[in-house]
Amino acid sequence: GAGVSQSPSNKVTEKGKDVELRCDPISGHTALYWYRQSLGQGLEFLIYFQGNSAPDKSGLPSDRFSAERTGGSVSTLTIQRTQQEDSAVYLCASSAINYGYTFGSGTRLTVV
Amino acid sequence: SQKIEQNSEALNIQEGKTATLTCNYTNYSPAYLQWYRQDPGRGPVFLLLIRENEKEKRKERLKVTFDTTLKQSLFHITASQPADSATYLCARPVIFKTSYDKVIFGPGTSLSVIP
Repeated sequence: GAGVSQSPSNKVTEKGKDVELRCDPISGHTALYWYRQSLGQGLEFLIYFQGNSAPDKSGLPSDRFSAERTGGSVSTLTIQRTQQEDSAVYLCASSAINYGYTFGSGTRLTVV
Repeated sequence: SQKIEQNSEALNIQEGKTATLTCNYTNYSPAYLQWYRQDPGRGPVFLLLIRENEKEKRKERLKVTFDTTLKQSLFHITASQPADSATYLCARPVIFKTSYDKVIFGPGTSLSVIP
């Protein structure tokens, strides 16, 4: 598609459950990023994929968070045993070299 | 570690005036800075990228400057319109002089253009 697609757009889950968030980047963009944004807060970096290189996981807040990118395209962010503090908007972006990021509309995660 | 600071207060300006938003960074100057616009409930939208060897860049009513001495970038919107009301984010790459890198974002400045 023309833009970055994320699904689901909204997710309500019970505390302790696992969730999977999906990102479909722009075709041809080799870099893919996950950020999260809590209500009224700035963007917090989570993880970064670049081509076939090992991902930069330095922003993942705990070992309950993991992400993978299959075939250099679609990425899935998984949060295990969700906690209330995980509630946020999870944003995915992709980019071409030396250019800005194209963000998706995000997944709003609410842990109840 | 690198930090980005932006106008902490919301900015309210009259329609037709020029809005000026400030982005200050710490440590070494990055290879480039990016500016984004974010509307409520939406992901950020990329506006402009300015490299460290570019003093100024323009796009329609937008102008961005990059001053490595002051460690500052200014973002100007001329002839502002109510539709320009949004939060504007400044971002810099974390690693020095790489083409690809993750960027860190400033907290954003909320701009309201009053008719």
